[in-house]
Amino acid sequence: AQRVTQPEKLLSVFKGAPVELKCNYSYSGSPELFWYVQYSRQRLQLLLRHISRESIKGFTADLNKGETSFHLKKPFAQEEDSAMYYCALGRHNTDKLIFGTGTRLQVFP
Amino acid sequence: GAGVSQSPSNKVTEKGKDVELRCDPISGHTALYWYRQSLGQGLEFLIYFQGNSAPDKSGLPSDRFSAERTGGSVSTLTIQRTQQEDSAVYLCASSIASGSSTDTQYFGPGTRLTVL
Repeated sequence: AQRVTQPEKLLSVFKGAPVELKCNYSYSGSPELFWYVQYSRQRLQLLLRHISRESIKGFTADLNKGETSFHLKKPFAQEEDSAMYYCALGRHNTDKLIFGTGTRLQVFP
Repeated sequence: GAGVSQSPSNKVTEKGKDVELRCDPISGHTALYWYRQSLGQGLEFLIYFQGNSAPDKSGLPSDRFSAERTGGSVSTLTIQRTQQEDSAVYLCASSIASGSSTDTQYFGPGTRLTVL
């Protein structure tokens, strides 16, 4: 079955600490992976996608097909990174995404 | 430009009543999605419209849920005989669906539904 797993519901760190939000997927085809973010009182929005291979707001994510993972990382967390993060899987021939259950990141001062 | 809009922003209803939630996608976006967001459940896919194709209704939780998309634009999600477990934030998203890869989905602000 096609599935996205985010094992942590809540991740709490202090400002300046490294952050890694875990995401694992299950899909036999060639996946497209995304991270979406929802800041407090804002809309859910795209943070980054693996095919872009870019760093957004200091966050990066590398697709590891061997481990079927797409973990989101940032070396030094900031308070403004506090938000809900969703990992999502895109598949061939459909625009429909499969979302994980989300991880709430709390960055304390 | 204008983003995805949804109305109402909040809806409080009594158990057993019907509700209609509206979504106006970004102009020109051919794909429209409905999701349900609730604590502990994450983002649950409900239904997907793509152009003139038959909608993908595989995520609708029961036959009390239905959705229409008129003229390829505005969509209405209808929940009949609401139950308390229907309480959640209902999100709508749209994408350009270019067909070359999975396009970015643009989300609306959501409708918070509370069933008393």
